[in-house]
Amino acid sequence: DQQVKQNSPSLSVQEGRISILNCDYTNSMFDYFLWYKKYPAEGPTFLISISSIKDKNEDGRFTVFLNKSAKHLSLHIVPSQPGDSAVYFCAARGDNQGGKLIFGQGTELSVKP
Amino acid sequence: NAGVTQTPKFQVLKTGQSMTLQCAQDMNHNSMYWYRQDPGMGLRLIYYSASEGTTDKGEVPNGYNVSRLNKREFSLRLESAAPSQTSVYFCASGPRAGGANVLTFGAGSRLTVL
Repeated sequence: DQQVKQNSPSLSVQEGRISILNCDYTNSMFDYFLWYKKYPAEGPTFLISISSIKDKNEDGRFTVFLNKSAKHLSLHIVPSQPGDSAVYFCAARGDNQGGKLIFGQGTELSVKP
Repeated sequence: NAGVTQTPKFQVLKTGQSMTLQCAQDMNHNSMYWYRQDPGMGLRLIYYSASEGTTDKGEVPNGYNVSRLNKREFSLRLESAAPSQTSVYFCASGPRAGGANVLTFGAGSRLTVL
């Protein structure tokens, strides 16, 4: 049973435009959500997070939105740059679960010049 | 700053062979994790250690064992490798088991079982 789902395996965007990556979850007990970025042959690196008590968190070009009633979060990248081309993973964490993260399947973003 | 270091980076095994993946972190983190990444499956948790002296099963623990040797080191052992264990393995560590607990990942170990 996939608790965190990223239904779009890939996304292609033109440089300078907005990239929107989506993530859905099923467990209402999740209290933190994180986005990780992964380049080929490297480990995932942390990008941005949001607590379940908030609905928006912004860091530079990256903004994460959380809609708890819909159990949905999204990552917006504005403006998109070719260096943003990578696989993006959504992850969720529940309280009292040893800090473990449950990951989605990932979305491969391609930003074209 | 080394962060999280995994060895080896690449390994080829024959079915039935055993091996241990090593992981060490130098960030004084309390919690450590082993994940595997397979195409279309994302990252799946194999085992984790919320603190030194404790280990727990994750989503896909079958065929694996772990040892939290000390606060810095967390090893993953395959006792009898199977082709289904061909994957990329990532070790991660986090400052604590609560809060946002942002995990830092190693560069990965690519394992092929023939």
